[in-house]
Amino acid sequence: DTAVSQTPKYLVTQMGNDKSIKCEQNLGHDTMYWYKQDSKKFLKIMFSYNNKELIINETVPNRFSPKSPDKAHLNLHINSLELGDSAVYFCASSPTPVTGELFFGEGSRLTVL
Amino acid sequence: GESVGLHLPTLSVQEGDNSIINCAYSNSASDYFIWYKQESGKGPQFIIDIRSNMDKRQGQRVTVLLNKTVKHLSLQIAATQPGDSAVYFCAERPTGTASKLTFGTGTRLQVTL
Repeated sequence: DTAVSQTPKYLVTQMGNDKSIKCEQNLGHDTMYWYKQDSKKFLKIMFSYNNKELIINETVPNRFSPKSPDKAHLNLHINSLELGDSAVYFCASSPTPVTGELFFGEGSRLTVL
Repeated sequence: GESVGLHLPTLSVQEGDNSIINCAYSNSASDYFIWYKQESGKGPQFIIDIRSNMDKRQGQRVTVLLNKTVKHLSLQIAATQPGDSAVYFCAERPTGTASKLTFGTGTRLQVTL
């Protein structure tokens, strides 16, 4: 069983569209994250939730809206997609907010045309 | 701004040799450091961590060294194997910023036969 699974793995869409990426973890962790990895492999945190509550909200355009219906799920919705949103988005989880050992999903590659 | 960076973007080593991947950090307020490995097409995977009250920590075939005086972190891989080929990231966490990891730019390790 995949510990942190995200769907879809690939997403190709036009500028201006709205899309969502879903993430689920079956590790029983309290904390979940969204990271963005650009074409140069630079990884940057976007959001973090602990027990469904937002604890980190980096300087991310408000077109990005995370939602955590329960502590096992953290979805990412993106409105009005722009070319610069093209990246690989990684979901991750950790047992607590203070550990540095994150468990990452395999990523969702978003391409905006 | 403060950042975590790596000296070498690509490191090529022969199978069986030892590898040393370096990382410079600039945030003196960081108290926790982590190394991650990212294989092609996968999410980052935790390797080893070290707290600022230590200067060395060993795992299985890996050793992390921390030199707080010069703000330098290194990952040593003993007897490098083809399966070690990946991009390696160091990450830091400033004191008081639970769950907010700042990742470095990554070093690609290529293992030649």
